[in-house]
Amino acid sequence: DQQVKQNSPSLSVQEGRISILNCDYTNSMFDYFLWYKKYPAEGPTFLISISSIKDKNEDGRFTVFLNKSAKHLSLHIVPSQPGDSAVYFCAAAVMGGATNKLIFGTGTLLAVQP
Amino acid sequence: DTEVTQTPKHLVMGMTNKKSLKCEQHMGHRAMYWYKQKAKKPPELMFVYSYEKLSINESVPSRFSPECPNSSLLNLHLHALQPEDSALYLCASSQPASGRAGEQFFGPGTRLTVL
Repeated sequence: DQQVKQNSPSLSVQEGRISILNCDYTNSMFDYFLWYKKYPAEGPTFLISISSIKDKNEDGRFTVFLNKSAKHLSLHIVPSQPGDSAVYFCAAAVMGGATNKLIFGTGTLLAVQP
Repeated sequence: DTEVTQTPKHLVMGMTNKKSLKCEQHMGHRAMYWYKQKAKKPPELMFVYSYEKLSINESVPSRFSPECPNSSLLNLHLHALQPEDSALYLCASSQPASGRAGEQFFGPGTRLTVL
């Protein structure tokens, strides 16, 4: 049972345009959401996160939107750059305690065309 | 230092071998994690250590044995592995306190091949 889903395995965007990556979850207990970026042969790199008490968080070119009623979050990258080409994973967690178990989505491969 | 290091980068082992994967961080994080990632799949949690104590074991077979000798080091001892255990093994660490506790910092991984 996949609790976190990224239904688009890949996305191609022109340089300078907006990239929108989507993520859906099923567990209403999740209260913290993160986006990670992964290049081949490297570990995932944290990009941006959002708590369930917010509906938007922005960091430079990256903005994450959370729609709790729809159990949906999205990552917007504006403007997209060729260096953004990578696999993007969304992850969800139930916060609390000393450690947090992250449940990752299946990933979306973003290709930004020059 | 905001880096998690892992050694070796690549490891090839036979099914009868014993080997160890190592992970180190110097960010003062008190939670450390082992993940397994197969090709075209998301990372899957294996073990979590909190304050050097094992807090989560995701029903991992006993041929994988984790160890946390101190707050900066995390090992994964491997014995009698199967070819299907071939994968990228990722280590991560995080702050256990509130705030950005969900943010886990990942190492580059060890690419393991079991023959």
